[in-house]
Amino acid sequence: EVQLVESGGGLVQPGGSLRLSCAASGFKFNNYRMTWVRQAPGKGLEWVANIKQDGSEKYYVDSVKGRFTISRDNAKNSLYLQMNSLSAEDTAAYYCARIKEVPASEIYYYFYSMDVWGKGTTVTVS
Amino acid sequence: DIQMTQSPSSLSASVGDRVTITCRASQSINRYLNWYQQLPGKAPKLLIYAASSLQSGVPSRFSGSGSGTDYTLTISGLQPEDFASYYCQQTFTNLWTFGQGTRVEVK
Repeated sequence: EVQLVESGGGLVQPGGSLRLSCAASGFKFNNYRMTWVRQAPGKGLEWVANIKQDGSEKYYVDSVKGRFTISRDNAKNSLYLQMNSLSAEDTAAYYCARIKEVPASEIYYYFYSMDVWGKGTTVTVS
Repeated sequence: DIQMTQSPSSLSASVGDRVTITCRASQSINRYLNWYQQLPGKAPKLLIYAASSLQSGVPSRFSGSGSGTDYTLTISGLQPEDFASYYCQQTFTNLWTFGQGTRVEVK
């Protein structure tokens, strides 16, 4: 069964740090880009960061640049999100997701979407 | 960054209704547009990718269309399990953005 399981969430004080993990199983992890998405209580979805299969490309939403770092360990089938300098605005459920790639008509371009999601882990900054 | 604007923010509908949700991008996104469904307390689920391609396992009552800046998600024959929130997402640039969501409620 294809599965993603997040862990590492919890209560942290403003200015503190937290490291989230996402354990993948049931698929060839190193074949897929991966991503983190968050959702503040009662709010919509916000994309946080992406990482390429070999970790050579990483992208972040502006609000976390310089504070969060996405990484992966393909030998351990695991995705990580190191979060530093946390503030109340970072309080959210954090989801990891697998990125599906479908070739587009333009060469070297792909349609990306998030086809497998974990159940999420909650981060509270207070 | 590309802004995604969904409308309406919420709607009330009955089982069997045809429901349409629209998503407008602040610039052309060339069909790099996905739709997700989120039930309360659950993780999102991919419905439609590349504007109109149905994700495997998703019922055919869901369909997507559009091009350029304007996209539509249609549910043809709303079912009880479809009362949920729906989000569009663009992946045209490396910085992805979601719409603010549309809540589909029971009338």
